[in-house]
Amino acid sequence: GQNIDQPTEMTATEGAIVQINCTYQTSGFNGLFWYQQHAGEAPTFLSYNVLDGLEEKGRFSSFLSRSKGYSYLLLKELQMKDSASYLCAVRDPGSGAGSYQLTFGKGTKLSVIP
Amino acid sequence: SAVISQKPSRDICQRGTSLTIQCQVDSQVTMMFWYRQQPGQSLTLIATANQGSEATYESGFVIDKFPISRPNLTFSTLTVSNMSPEDSSIYLCSALGTPDEQFFGPGTRLTVL
Repeated sequence: GQNIDQPTEMTATEGAIVQINCTYQTSGFNGLFWYQQHAGEAPTFLSYNVLDGLEEKGRFSSFLSRSKGYSYLLLKELQMKDSASYLCAVRDPGSGAGSYQLTFGKGTKLSVIP
Repeated sequence: SAVISQKPSRDICQRGTSLTIQCQVDSQVTMMFWYRQQPGQSLTLIATANQGSEATYESGFVIDKFPISRPNLTFSTLTVSNMSPEDSSIYLCSALGTPDEQFFGPGTRLTVL
């Protein structure tokens, strides 16, 4: 079966750092994605990890540990516009129709406060 | 990165009717997918749109209800057939440009009365 867990909601202060965790249990693994989704909009691609370690892209970093089934998204120097839902998604080649489909967690709603 | 457009952006439909959603990508892509996002929920894969052949559906989704076409590498359609209020959702087209980047269209917000 497939199970992807992330916290439902988080609150952080403008200018601070926040870490959003994601744990997964899937029959296979071929990469983990993080997306940002503002209310009423489509998900926006943030990062992709397929090997263990940290990937950094400006204010956003993503970490993966395949042995632990664990990832986190790190947001630095938080801005008000970072208030959004953050979706963790796993590419699981064993889950069904193809090697590239994504299975999504339920998302973490981040609120950035002044 | 690929830019994906969808038409219509939103629609309100009557029970029992059908709606076809179009997805256009600005470059050729290897794979296209259709997802559904119900209110307050995360995304669920409906099917993989295969160019020149029948789509591959996930468990719980069938071709009679959600027929899909993909005539070329940049275009796909999803039809929601014989609609009921339970089909009210956001329908998103997605494209795989390179193995490590998957993009989403802006979505079609469907309300069924």
